[in-house]
Amino acid sequence: AQSVTQLGSHVSVSEGALVLLRCNYSSSVPPYLFWYVQYPNQGLQLLLKYTSAATLVKGINGFEAEFKKSETSFHLTKPSAHMSDAAEYFCAVSEQAGTALIFGKGTTLSVSS
Amino acid sequence: GAVVSQHPSWVICKSGTSVKIECRSLDFQATTMFWYRQFPKQSLMLMATSNEGSKATYEQGVEKDKFLINHASLTLSTLTVTSAHPEDSSFYICSARGQINTEAFFGQGTRLTVV
Repeated sequence: AQSVTQLGSHVSVSEGALVLLRCNYSSSVPPYLFWYVQYPNQGLQLLLKYTSAATLVKGINGFEAEFKKSETSFHLTKPSAHMSDAAEYFCAVSEQAGTALIFGKGTTLSVSS
Repeated sequence: GAVVSQHPSWVICKSGTSVKIECRSLDFQATTMFWYRQFPKQSLMLMATSNEGSKATYEQGVEKDKFLINHASLTLSTLTVTSAHPEDSSFYICSARGQINTEAFFGQGTRLTVV
């Protein structure tokens, strides 16, 4: 069975600092991996996705994630945090494109000035 | 990306009444739609998967008689919460995809509050 673990339910950084949100997955097949961002009372916005092409995936708003099979990880990073990055972030996995996603519990990112 | 529209974005209803939430694919034919539920401060949990023209497949623990899903056309799926109770208050999100092995896109979500 597939699963996703997001380490750290809450991450706080200063504006301009590095953002690192951790995600580890469990899958019996090569996974499809996703990062979504959710602002309060809004739907999900896709930040980036890994679909077995390049292991370093670049997304929107300056975010990127690296797929590391040996570590079963797909951590999300951004070199310099902005106040507008404060939101809830979800890592998700699926066995193939277009199937239902299994979501992690989410990480709340706070950015202080 | 493709557009999935969910309506209404929020709804307040009285306990015991039923509420219908619509999920539409605006620029593609959605052969499959997924319905998720998100409690406050929690993650999204898959409720059911529906294929156009077929009965929905519900996840374990989801009451099919309470959460009625209809996917009668390739652009519309509806979730009806029947005899709603305060514990049904939640954020409901749909996602839709076209052919298999294509990406699924999310609607904006519906905030349901039952009073």
